[in-house]
Amino acid sequence: NAGVMQNPRHLVRRRGQEARLRCSPMKGHSHVYWYRQLPEEGLKFMVYLQKENIIDESGMPKERFSAEFPKEGPSILRIQQVVRGDSAAYFCASSPGPPGTSRDEQYFGPGTRLTVT
Amino acid sequence: QKEVEQNSGPLSVPEGAIASLNCTYSDRVSQSFFWYRQYSGKSPELIMSIYSNGDKEDGRFTAQLNKASQYVSLLIRDSQPSDSATYLCAVNQVFSGGYNKLIFGAGTRLAVHP
Repeated sequence: NAGVMQNPRHLVRRRGQEARLRCSPMKGHSHVYWYRQLPEEGLKFMVYLQKENIIDESGMPKERFSAEFPKEGPSILRIQQVVRGDSAAYFCASSPGPPGTSRDEQYFGPGTRLTVT
Repeated sequence: QKEVEQNSGPLSVPEGAIASLNCTYSDRVSQSFFWYRQYSGKSPELIMSIYSNGDKEDGRFTAQLNKASQYVSLLIRDSQPSDSATYLCAVNQVFSGGYNKLIFGAGTRLAVHP
């Protein structure tokens, strides 16, 4: 059973470009979460999605950031017009059930390291 | 303010000893608690989940939960140098509107020396 997959593993963008990060959840998991981790800092929640629905985007900046989880294909985190402060590790996690239930264990992918030059 | 507090460490223990990692949380209605291990430059790896008061054992790991004291801990028996990593405590918390969110502590760095 393949784990959570993320690509690319490393992404370099110049300021002003767009970054697209992809996440495929574990088989049987329909709940996807995106987190950001700055160097030497903790994990910060960004957004929680189910298929075709954004459930909670309270941790995502209102501008330049968007996320989707279409009916077919991976979840996408899109960052438009990147700035140096966007440089971080972005992790995707998935769970078989929603948060607050007995099936809410989240499993993380390997992450995408975004560097903005 | 929903919070999960951990001592940042480093916690240094000799090989073969028991490492004790602690975590407190602020939300009294939390129901799901997790410990993750994160090696430098890697992603968090789930090592334990606990939902009920008491102890839960898995190999060399034991998670302990005390909801009355809002306290969750992780014991690592027979610590090995390969256990050296940052351990993240995560607590599922309920926010207004009824939605849940997993809140992570900043992590405790564990160093096991030979």
